[in-house]
This record gives sequence, C-alpha cells and structure tokens, in this order.
Amino acid sequence: LAKTTQPISMDSYEGQEVNITCSHNNIATNDYITWYQQFPSQGPRFIIQGYKTKVTNEVASLFIPADRKSSTLSLPRVSLSDTAVYYCLVVAAGNKLTFGGGTRVLVKP
Amino acid sequence: DTEVTQTPKHLVMGMTNKKSLKCEQHMGHRAMYWYKQKAKKPPELMFVYSYEKLSINESVPSRFSPECPNSSLLNLHLHALQPEDSALYLCASSQDGSAPYYGYTFGSGTRLTVV
Repeated sequence: LAKTTQPISMDSYEGQEVNITCSHNNIATNDYITWYQQFPSQGPRFIIQGYKTKVTNEVASLFIPADRKSSTLSLPRVSLSDTAVYYCLVVAAGNKLTFGGGTRVLVKP
Repeated sequence: DTEVTQTPKHLVMGMTNKKSLKCEQHMGHRAMYWYKQKAKKPPELMFVYSYEKLSINESVPSRFSPECPNSSLLNLHLHALQPEDSALYLCASSQDGSAPYYGYTFGSGTRLTVV
C-alpha cells in the first residue's frame, strides 16, 4: 500500500490559488491518486481522481508528473468556505481507502 | 438520490448499553464501509462489505458488530463500549468494492459519546 506524505497545514487568502503537493514514492502501476475534502463533523467528500498528467473538474485540478511519485491538487481562487482538511490517497482496484494525515487548509479573509 | 444517510446523528450511551448505528444508500452501490474518526485524526477503516458479504475486518474489537441486511443497508451494532470508543462513525459506499475509480460517498456520520 503506497504511503502518502503531505503538508500538515497551509494558510491562504481569499481569491488566491492553493496548491497542495502530495508525495507517494512507492505508487504501483495500477494505483490511482484521489483527493478528498472534509469539513468539521462531516464525512469526507470526493474531489478529484487521476492516473497521470492533468485532470480538471469544476472544483479543482490535479497535476501528476510522468513518474507519478507526487501529485498536486490545485484549488483556484479559494473562498472562506474552502477551509477544510484535504486528504491525498493512493488507491488500487479492490483495495480499501486508507487515509493519511491530511492537510489543514485555512483560508483567511 | 446521491446520498448516504446515517442515523442517528448523535448518540450518547452507557458502557453497559446496546445500541445500533444505521446507514442507508439508494445509489445501487454494492460496497459499503464503516470508518471511525477521532478528533483531528484521519478516518480509520473498520469494516468493508462487498455484495453484502463482509470482506475486510480491520481487527476491530468484537464489541463492534457489523451487519448488512441488504444492498442498501448497513448497521453497526454496539455493545459494552468503552469511553475511548467515543468518536465520529462514518459510513461510506462505492459503486463496486473492486473498482474504486468512481470515488466513495460518505455520510455525515454519527457522533458517538460513551459515558
């Protein structure tokens, strides 16, 4: 099971872009990279998932370099409501979803 | 319906009580999960059900007993819990236990306090 490492916390301001980098050095060929967001006293919410290169949806972008040993979640123009914990996970088919420490993002006015 | 519904939202129970947590989804998902989350910690997997059969038990103490009566329902029966079992209990579902590529849908959890 690939272990992930991400910063414990990050501060930002409204309107800025937030980039969270996650390292997963021992990612396997069949593994996908997925990100979840969690607000206090709520369940995690799926944000985005990718295998390689770049994935974009209405919420975020995910950048994965060719060696796939890291990935970067990009949140464009954050607002106060984006204050949350963001989890990076590496998932393989048939495997359980195992959470690492997550990154606490605080968006300030 | 794109939600996982958990009841109750809050539960306070004594160490000698028996209680149950309930989770329901109507998305046609065939894999369901129980997670436990302590304050300021990441969720920890407890149990996985795939096609209504228990496929993973993460060495959870027997005072926690899961049950999957049908493909839409997941229960967690609690008995003789300890104060350290107080936590947020999260239920999740996914389309297929063997293909996590579509993401998991989590409920809002049950906040359990053992007194």
